[in-house]
Amino acid sequence: RKEVEQDPGPFNVPEGATVAFNCTYSNSASQSFFWYRQDCRKEPKLLMSVYSSGNEDGRFTAQLNRASQYISLLIRDSKLSDSATYLCVVNPLENAGNMLTFGGGTRLMVKP
Amino acid sequence: DGGITQSPKYLFRKEGQNVTLSCEQNLNHDAMYWYRQDPGQGLRLIYYSQIVNDFQKGDIAEGYSVSREKKESFPLTVTSAQKNPTAFYLCASSSYRENTDTQYFGPGTRLTVL
Repeated sequence: RKEVEQDPGPFNVPEGATVAFNCTYSNSASQSFFWYRQDCRKEPKLLMSVYSSGNEDGRFTAQLNRASQYISLLIRDSKLSDSATYLCVVNPLENAGNMLTFGGGTRLMVKP
Repeated sequence: DGGITQSPKYLFRKEGQNVTLSCEQNLNHDAMYWYRQDPGQGLRLIYYSQIVNDFQKGDIAEGYSVSREKKESFPLTVTSAQKNPTAFYLCASSSYRENTDTQYFGPGTRLTVL
């Protein structure tokens, strides 16, 4: 089983739609969770951290479910500019020297 | 402006040659990392360094070497021993002082073996 698993997609949605991605992680001791966005042929950029209480940043909402070991990303009112690959990222161990494990990414394509 | 720079952006190598990829950061970050990304794949850790003059192997270190003589710099050498070096190479850094494990990435180097 991979440490961090994501549905690779692509998710094809129309503008204005709401779309959600899930990501599962295998290490129950994982401490930190992130969503990164990666545009084609570019570097990943931090989209948001995921806190136990959940967090929201504009149209983006991230949730953590420790019992089921998954995190989710919800995008409301999708824009064409949201088209990208979304990487689920986990720090599997506390004080592990800031080591992160990356999922393979979920590709989102927003169509007019 | 603070950030991470990588050079060159594109690199072509003949089989049997060693090449060195540059990574520099002026964020005063302690830790630096090298990842490899293949098409449609996630990032895989090659090497990381938590402090100057110290570095550790990641998951796929074979055929690669690094040095960390300065805090700002973490060059990666892809040696001829690396069987399949064509990939997108990403350098990242993070700070312990900020009490976060967020990593920030450079723009990457795309290496092609001819």
